[in-house]
Amino acid sequence: DQQVKQNSPSLSVQEGRISILNCDYTNSMFDYFLWYKKYPAEGPTFLISISSIKDKNEDGRFTVFLNKSAKHLSLHIVPSQPGDSAVYFCAASAWANFGNEKLTFGTGTRLTIIP
Amino acid sequence: EAQVTQNPRYLITVTGKKLTVTCSQNMNHEYMSWYRQDPGLGLRQIYYSMNVEVTDKGDVPEGYKVSRKEKRNFPLILESPSPNQTSLYFCASSLSGGQGPDTQYFGPGTRLTVL
Repeated sequence: DQQVKQNSPSLSVQEGRISILNCDYTNSMFDYFLWYKKYPAEGPTFLISISSIKDKNEDGRFTVFLNKSAKHLSLHIVPSQPGDSAVYFCAASAWANFGNEKLTFGTGTRLTIIP
Repeated sequence: EAQVTQNPRYLITVTGKKLTVTCSQNMNHEYMSWYRQDPGLGLRQIYYSMNVEVTDKGDVPEGYKVSRKEKRNFPLILESPSPNQTSLYFCASSLSGGQGPDTQYFGPGTRLTVL
């Protein structure tokens, strides 16, 4: 049972345009959401996060939006740059309910930025 | 440099031959975790540890063992590897006890092939 879903395995975007990556979740106990970025032959690295008490969090070119009623979050990258080409994983935590660091990951979306 | 290291990075072995993948972190993190990444399934947690001598099962623990005798080390043990354990393995660590889940830092990964 996939509790965190990324329905687009891949996405191609022109350099300079906006990239939008989507993530859906089913477990209403999740209260904290994160995005990780992964380059080939490296481990994932943290990108940005959002608590369920917010609906938006911004960090430079990266913005994460959370729609709790729809159980949906999205990552916006603007403007997209060639270095953004990577696999992006959405992850969720039920931290407030269980008090531990467990993350449930989605299946990932491979983003390719076309120069 | 703050990091999580894993060894070996690549391993080809045969069914039934016991193996250990080591993981070490130099950030004095309490929480450590093992994940496996498989195509179409994303990252799935195998085992985790909240602190020394405290370990627990993740989502896919069958066929694996772990130990946490020291804070910095968290080895993954496959007593009798089988071909369905062919995968890309990641170790991760984070602080715990904050106001939300802390950023998990990942190792570079170990690609295991079981023939």
